[in-house]
Amino acid sequence: KAGVTQTPRYLIKTRGQQVTLSCSPISGHRSVSWYQQTPGQGLQFLFEYFSETQRNKGNFPGRFSGRQFSNSRSEMNVSTLELGDSALYLCASKREGLYNEQFFGPGTRLTVL
Amino acid sequence: EDQVTQSPEALRLQEGESSSLNCSYTVSGLRGLFWYRQDPGKGPEFLFTLYSAGEEKEKERLKATLTKKESFLHITAPKPEDSATYLCAGGTNAGGTSYGKLTFGQGTILTVHP
Repeated sequence: KAGVTQTPRYLIKTRGQQVTLSCSPISGHRSVSWYQQTPGQGLQFLFEYFSETQRNKGNFPGRFSGRQFSNSRSEMNVSTLELGDSALYLCASKREGLYNEQFFGPGTRLTVL
Repeated sequence: EDQVTQSPEALRLQEGESSSLNCSYTVSGLRGLFWYRQDPGKGPEFLFTLYSAGEEKEKERLKATLTKKESFLHITAPKPEDSATYLCAGGTNAGGTSYGKLTFGQGTILTVHP
């Protein structure tokens, strides 16, 4: 069974630009969550999508947004990039239901110059 | 505010030297305590889910336990390949709608020397 895939794996952008990251969940998983991982803050929850609807959101500015398609694939977008947005962006998928563990992709390493 | 705290921040062991990692949590409406392993440059790899106090789960040299306030990851006779960052996370159903949000601790960096 294929795992969670994320593209691209690496990105270099400059301040003020915008970026779109993509995530394909494990087949049959309809919930997709996004996390930001930095050395200082660790892993922080960005948002979760289920059935093309955002159903939970973390404490990030509105520059961070996402969407989910009917095939459960998800994208996240960061507009007006800042230096502090440099991080590993992780996507995770899970089956729907109580207590189901989340499976993570390899992440997209974003560097903002 | 939900909070997960892991200790120690870093742990260096000799091969075969058993030890434990701690994860204390204050998560409202906790629904699942999760352990992950993360290798450098990779995404977290799922290890265990614990649902209720008193529960224990084992996998090879790892054993996870849960009490009402904390969880432990016991590593028995570790090998160098067990070197990684171990992450603990709490899942919540606050609002009754989502289990897709995990609150993570900062992790424990484990190094096992041969």
